[in-house]
Amino acid sequence: GENVEQHPSTLSVQEGDSAVIKCTYSDSASNYFPWYKQELGKRPQLIIDIRSNVGEKKDQRIAVTLNKTAKHFSLHITETQPEDSAVYFCAADTDKLIFGTGTRLQVFP
Amino acid sequence: DGGITQSPKYLFRKEGQNVTLSCEQNLNHDAMYWYRQDPGQGLRLIYYSQIVNDFQKGDIAEGYSVSREKKESFPLTVTSAQKNPTAFYLCASMGSGRSGEQYFGPGTRLTVT
Repeated sequence: GENVEQHPSTLSVQEGDSAVIKCTYSDSASNYFPWYKQELGKRPQLIIDIRSNVGEKKDQRIAVTLNKTAKHFSLHITETQPEDSAVYFCAADTDKLIFGTGTRLQVFP
Repeated sequence: DGGITQSPKYLFRKEGQNVTLSCEQNLNHDAMYWYRQDPGQGLRLIYYSQIVNDFQKGDIAEGYSVSREKKESFPLTVTSAQKNPTAFYLCASMGSGRSGEQYFGPGTRLTVT
């Protein structure tokens, strides 16, 4: 079945720096790739998503890139702020969403 | 925060007891999902339902059961057969269409001793 690998598991950056989280997936039929942010004790919330017919999507300080040939996609956060500190999950969808294991991002002031 | 609710927020049970977790949504979504979240393991799919009166097993269905008698409701029963039931359980729903944003409930933290 589908497998999604996510790296790194933890990431610490200084405020204002960029953060990049990478995911790979195994099922070439996957065509939808969302990213969720989960703050401590709260529910996951969608922050950005991309479909297989697009290579890149941006929304203010966050962007996602997709390389279908290599079967990997990445989340880029620029000008990080302390409130970006959270756990981020990638996912890939064929007939159901398969989540990566999460990246704990810490942004230090 | 509105739209999908789970209750209770915290639940404590003794080993050997079945327990049912509630999930309700008023978003008129067709699809509903149950995930289990353990530290360092992300979200793992237990069961999902794409339409009323129908549901499918996810990746870790053993020891769990569900029903989908109403569109708004998708309760999850953690049975005594589940070997390691202590976890954070998240319910989600999604509107029509094959893939799209899933809206999560606030979660139920179940502790079994």
